[in-house]
Amino acid sequence: GEDVEQSLFLSVREGDSSVINCTYTDSSSTYLYWYKQEPGAGLQLLTYIFSNMDMKQDQRLTVLLNKKDKHLSLRIADTQTGDSAIYFCAESKAAGNKLTFGGGTRVLVKP
Amino acid sequence: DVKVTQSSRYLVKRTGEKVFLECVQDMDHENMFWYRQDPGLGLRLIYFSYDVKMKEKGDIPEGYSVSREKKERFSLILESASTNQTSMYLCASSSGSNYGYTFGSGTRLTVV
Repeated sequence: GEDVEQSLFLSVREGDSSVINCTYTDSSSTYLYWYKQEPGAGLQLLTYIFSNMDMKQDQRLTVLLNKKDKHLSLRIADTQTGDSAIYFCAESKAAGNKLTFGGGTRVLVKP
Repeated sequence: DVKVTQSSRYLVKRTGEKVFLECVQDMDHENMFWYRQDPGLGLRLIYFSYDVKMKEKGDIPEGYSVSREKKERFSLILESASTNQTSMYLCASSSGSNYGYTFGSGTRLTVV
């Protein structure tokens, strides 16, 4: 079955770059996602990447996909205190279908 | 503003009670999902539905059932609540596009 893994915690200084890593096991994963969850809030889709891409950039966010190693990363440039949240990576076989999530990485941004 | 609405934000129930968690979406989405969220475990899929009256088991269906009698409503049922079902429950719906996947705010259920 599918398995998605992330490290539990990341601490970063305001203004630095954050890099959150994720590994997955299912080579048939078609879409890979990054979601953000702020305290007391639901999940917000940040970005996603299709499996035939190796990079996607969206303002301060850069997603890198190494399909051979089944490794996904999210880089946040110029990290702000508002970026403190839990970040989940997830995968699906088709757009809009069920998602398999990693355990989430709690990012703490220190002033 | 499109929405997935979960009927309760917080619930406290007793062991052995039958519990209903309701989810309603107003986006005419075909797909609906129930996840539970536990610290360090992320979100785990309980049940999902790709059409009215259709349901499929997710990764952790034991102790749960679902009902989808209308397109907009997807109910999660705990037949006999147990303390290990204390968790945050998240409902989601999707249209079949990546940006159309929307989550509700969650129901924090405590079983005592």
